[in-house]
Order: sequence, then structure tokens, then C-alpha cells
Amino acid sequence: NAGVTQTPKFQVLKTGQSMTLQCAQDMNHEYMSWYRQDPGMGLRLIHYSVGAGITDQGEVPNGYNVSRSTTEDFPLRLLSAAPSQTSVYFCASSTRGDLGQPQHFGDGTRLSIL
Amino acid sequence: AQKITQTQPGMFVQEKEAVTLDCTYDTSDPSYGLFWYKQPSSGEMIFLIYQGSYDQQNATEGRYSLNFQKARKSANLVISASQLGDSAMYFCAMREWTGNQFYFGTGTSLTVIP
Repeated sequence: NAGVTQTPKFQVLKTGQSMTLQCAQDMNHEYMSWYRQDPGMGLRLIHYSVGAGITDQGEVPNGYNVSRSTTEDFPLRLLSAAPSQTSVYFCASSTRGDLGQPQHFGDGTRLSIL
Repeated sequence: AQKITQTQPGMFVQEKEAVTLDCTYDTSDPSYGLFWYKQPSSGEMIFLIYQGSYDQQNATEGRYSLNFQKARKSANLVISASQLGDSAMYFCAMREWTGNQFYFGTGTSLTVIP
């Protein structure tokens, strides 16, 4: 009963390094999204996808890249890590076309940029 | 303009008392869904309750109910008979029929006092 799986759970990077946060879901959800959570700012949408091959920017996309080659996977890439990207990152998925379906969240990735 | 506004950064409630967490929203889409999530200190996001824009009755789920006032564009969460385990961050979210994105508020931190 996996749901949404995020890896890694914790990561420390140096400024300028790149890395990929992984997200996979096994519920055949069309909609997937990435958020960052910072104190006092709630969840801010970074990028989202409504299906394989389709991605779009959210509220705070700068410095991040995504792709969606399969329905199951939606990786988030940090191109050149900056201290301002220190945050907790959540991946979430949902169905499309049914407003009543909530998003299912992964457990989050706590990322620190030194 | 903010799509979701939560004006209470922090709230306190006595154990066994009821508490209302405020949420107002902004949309011109006649079809939308409203969600509440709970985030305990362990960090996971837990879906609590859903209200559709066309629902005639307020949603209820156990001790949670949603006070939906469509004309005022408010969707307040009511927790009855508060328990110590209710201490957490609570997020209000909205999804519009057009666009697919989920919009989140900044959250309310609830502390239940024994």
C-alpha cells in the first residue's frame, strides 16, 4: 500500500550542487505536483503535471526543473542549489476530473543547502 | 490576490472544547472543491474533510465539520471535543474545476491545552 513515495527523506547539499528528488505513485493518478513548505508560508506550488509528457509551472518554479515521462514518476531537479532552496519538499498526486478527490502526499524531503 | 486566506497563525483551545479554524477563498469558477488537511509535528499531510461548491449540506467527518458559507466565500473547519492529538498545523485548500491546481493557505497552528 505504497501511495506516494518520496526519496530521499533527508539531504544536505552544498551551494551549486545539483540533485534530483524522486517521487513515485502507484495509484495511476494523472495529476502530480511538487510543493515546498517554509515556516509561515504554507505550501507553495513549484511545478505540476496533468499527465505524462505535460508539465507546467506553479507559483515558485525558478531554480527547479521537472519532467513526466511516465504516469508513475515525477522527479524534481535542483539545477544549482542555493541556500534559499533550503526547505521541506512534498510531492502529491490526485486524479483529474473529480473535484472531490483529495491530493495524496508523500512524507516529504527535508533539504538543507549549505 | 490570494486564493486561500487563513488569518489565524495560531490558535489555542482547551481540551474537550470546540474550535473553529477560519478559511476564506477567492474564485470566479462556479465549480470548485474545498479541502482541509492536518499536519502533525511528524510532518505528514493528512486529508480531513471535503466540501464541493454545489453541496447543499455542510460536510461532516466524525469530529470534523465544515461550516460552508458560499456567499461569504468561507469554509471554516470546526473541530468538536478537542483532543490533545488535535494539536497540529491545519491547512485549507481549494481546487477549481478549470486548472486542476490545488491552492493552499498559510495554515493555522492549533494547540490543545490539557
